[in-house]
Amino acid sequence: KAGVTQTPRYLIKTRGQQVTLSCSPISGHRSVSWYQQTPGQGLQFLFEYFSETQRNKGNFPGRFSGRQFSNSRSEMNVSTLELGDSALYLCASIREDQETQYFGPGTRLLVL
Amino acid sequence: AQSVTQLDSQVPVFEEAPVELRCNYSSSVSVYLFWYVQYPNQGLQLLLKYLSGSTLVKSINGFEAEFNKSQTSFHLRKPSVHISDTAEYFCAVRKPGGGNKLTFGTGTQLKVEL
Repeated sequence: KAGVTQTPRYLIKTRGQQVTLSCSPISGHRSVSWYQQTPGQGLQFLFEYFSETQRNKGNFPGRFSGRQFSNSRSEMNVSTLELGDSALYLCASIREDQETQYFGPGTRLLVL
Repeated sequence: AQSVTQLDSQVPVFEEAPVELRCNYSSSVSVYLFWYVQYPNQGLQLLLKYLSGSTLVKSINGFEAEFNKSQTSFHLRKPSVHISDTAEYFCAVRKPGGGNKLTFGTGTQLKVEL
């Protein structure tokens, strides 16, 4: 089985721009979670989607949004980028019957 | 709400020596507990998990962790480390039911030296 795919792997943007990150979960998995990882704040939960519905949301401003498509692929969008949004964004594909989350390699976003 | 404390930010150890990475959690309800490992420039890999049952859980690469409810701890141990174990280790908790939100600790950098 193919693992979790995240695209792009690296991204450079400037302040004020917006960005869209993509995540393709493992075939058969219907849940996807997103996390932000920074040196200062560590790993923080952004949101979770199950069957195209947002099931949980972390404590991030409204500039951070996401969605899930019928094929379980998910996207997250960050609008009006700030320097502090520079981070590794990790997507996890969830096998619910085993309580296991499989993480992708992440998208490293640098905001200049 | 749940929280996780990893008391050591860095743990240096010589190859073939034993190691313990400490994890304490706080929660008003029962939780599931996890250890993840992150190698440089990679995502997180699940090392082991405690959901219920036996309080001692083991991974295929020699790590083990013991759930201690009274001390609210889930320390990770390995009797003999290898250079390839050098990585960052994250302890995480999740509340059963209601979704899959993980709350992570700040991580422990394990550095194995020759």
